[in-house]
This record gives sequence, C-alpha cells and structure tokens, in this order.
Amino acid sequence: KAGVTQTPRYLIKTRGQQVTLSCSPISGHRSVSWYQQTPGQGLQFLFEYFSETQRNKGNFPGRFSGRQFSNSRSEMNVSTLELGDSALYLCASSLSDGPYEQYFGPGTRLTVT
Amino acid sequence: GQQVMQIPQYQHVQEGEDFTTYCNSSTTLSNIQWYKQRPGGHPVFLIQLVKSGEVKKQKRLTFQFGEAKKNSSLHITATQTTDVGTYFCAGATYNFNKFYFGSGTKLNVKP
Repeated sequence: KAGVTQTPRYLIKTRGQQVTLSCSPISGHRSVSWYQQTPGQGLQFLFEYFSETQRNKGNFPGRFSGRQFSNSRSEMNVSTLELGDSALYLCASSLSDGPYEQYFGPGTRLTVT
Repeated sequence: GQQVMQIPQYQHVQEGEDFTTYCNSSTTLSNIQWYKQRPGGHPVFLIQLVKSGEVKKQKRLTFQFGEAKKNSSLHITATQTTDVGTYFCAGATYNFNKFYFGSGTKLNVKP
C-alpha cells in the first residue's frame, strides 16, 4: 500500500497570507489527524477528522481549520499567517477513530517570512 | 490539563551502551504508543501497549507499560548508530479524544 502523502512538501509564505495543505491517507484509512511540529514545542495536536467530521481539536486559534472529503483526503488551512506558524505540519492516518496506530506522512515544511 | 512528560530530553551514548527513555502521565492511560523519528524524517510507529504491566520486545528494544498504566519506558540494549533519532511516546485516555505526545527523547549514538 502507498503511504500517507502530503503536498506540497515545502512552502514559503509571507505574513498575512493564507495557506492550504493537503493530505492523502493510506487507502482504507478513514481517520486523519494533523500535528504541528516545532523544535521548541514538539508535536502539537491540531485536529482529527473521521468520516468528514471533526472529532477532536487541539488548542490552536481559529486561524487553523481543516476539512475531510468523502474519499478521506484532508486539507488544513491557516489564514492570516504569522511568523510563529513556521513549522513542520504532519498528517497522520489511522484505520478508524480511536487509539489506533498512526501512520505519518513526510510533512509539509512551512516557512513564514 | 492532560500531559505526558518524557525524560530525558537528550541522551548521548557510546555505541554499544544501553539507552532508556521514560514517559509519565498525570492520569491513567488506556494505551500508549511509541514512535521513532529519524533526523529529517517523520514519526514512525513502533509499538502499542494496552495491558497493565505489559512488556513487549522488538529485537534490542524492550517496551514496558506500568502497572498503574501511568508510565511507560523504552529500553534499547547495545545501541547502534542506526538507533539515532527522537523517540516519542503517545498516550490515550479512556475517554479517548486524542493522543498526547511526549516531548520526545533525542538519542545520539557515537560510533
């Protein structure tokens, strides 16, 4: 099976812009979670989607949003970018909602200047 | 709020030495998972522990889940340079809503 794919892999944006990141889960996986990884804060949970519904949300401002499509592909959007949003954004898919093992994608490296 | 603490933050060992990282939760966990992230890579699932006192082995890696299901450890025997990376634990509570990742232990192995 193909692994989790994320596009784009690298992105450079300026403050105030918005960005959309995409994640395609492993075939058959219905749950997608998003994480922000920074050197100082480690892995921070953003949100989880299952069957096109947001099931859980982390402690991030409303500028961070996401959605999931009927084919389980997911997107996350960050509006009004700030310098502090520079990070590696990781998507993880799992078979279903619940404490299943997560399979991470390679991530999207976002740099905000 | 719910936190999963992981220590140490860094560990430098000589090749052949053993290594242990510890994970502690303020509340009882339904299960705990361990991941490894190589430099420049993404977290890769290693194992999941569910039962109280559970011990699982993968070659030189030994994983333990505490009796109270509030702590866990990963022990690597006779480290190799291929073990270099950051090891994360991730715990889930019984009213599962998300995984709480530890801050990770970065392992460096000197040849």
